[in-house]
Amino acid sequence: AQKITQTQPGMFVQEKEAVTLDCTYDTSDPSYGLFWYKQPSSGEMIFLIYQGSYDQQNATEGRYSLNFQKARKSANLVISASQLGDSAMYFCAMREGPGGSYIPTFGRGTSLIVHP
Amino acid sequence: NAGVTQTPKFRILKIGQSMTLQCTQDMNHNYMYWYRQDPGMGLKLIYYSVGAGITDKGEVPNGYNVSRSTTEDFPLRLELAAPSQTSVYFCASSHLGAGELFFGEGSRLTVL
Repeated sequence: AQKITQTQPGMFVQEKEAVTLDCTYDTSDPSYGLFWYKQPSSGEMIFLIYQGSYDQQNATEGRYSLNFQKARKSANLVISASQLGDSAMYFCAMREGPGGSYIPTFGRGTSLIVHP
Repeated sequence: NAGVTQTPKFRILKIGQSMTLQCTQDMNHNYMYWYRQDPGMGLKLIYYSVGAGITDKGEVPNGYNVSRSTTEDFPLRLELAAPSQTSVYFCASSHLGAGELFFGEGSRLTVL
């Protein structure tokens, strides 16, 4: 079974609008971390945001926020005020605690295209 | 400010050839990883290491070998290259088991 599921292969958004990229995860470990990475067409992996399983508040980093719903096991990325430069692949990842040896697992990614 | 450095960035191999992808990090990270990325499949873990002298298999280790003789270096060896190994390879590191992964720029390998 996949540990990280990203159900949206592709998403389109108008410039300046907000967009939500979905991510659900599967773990029985009470200690885990959730990450989002951006991969532009140039290929590098850029870290965006992190949420720990014990964090009480949703993580935010500038225009990025992580909508963490622990009971539903979802960790959606919200990008506010989309920019053309946000067009990229986005990967959700999870690192499980001691039971998972702290090894990150990645989803298949969502391709985001921002239209002018 | 090097971070994680991978070489080479591009390589074409013939079936049956061998090669080593080099990876070096200067952040004194204990954990290092090799992932491969195929279109539409995300990143799959090949091998990882939690410290010098310690390596372990990931999800897709067949056809690859690694070593970790120092904290800084984590080379990935491809023996008897096959077309199925055509992919983009990423090396990454992290501090212990916490925090984000720091990635190299990737190495695009084509096996013909």
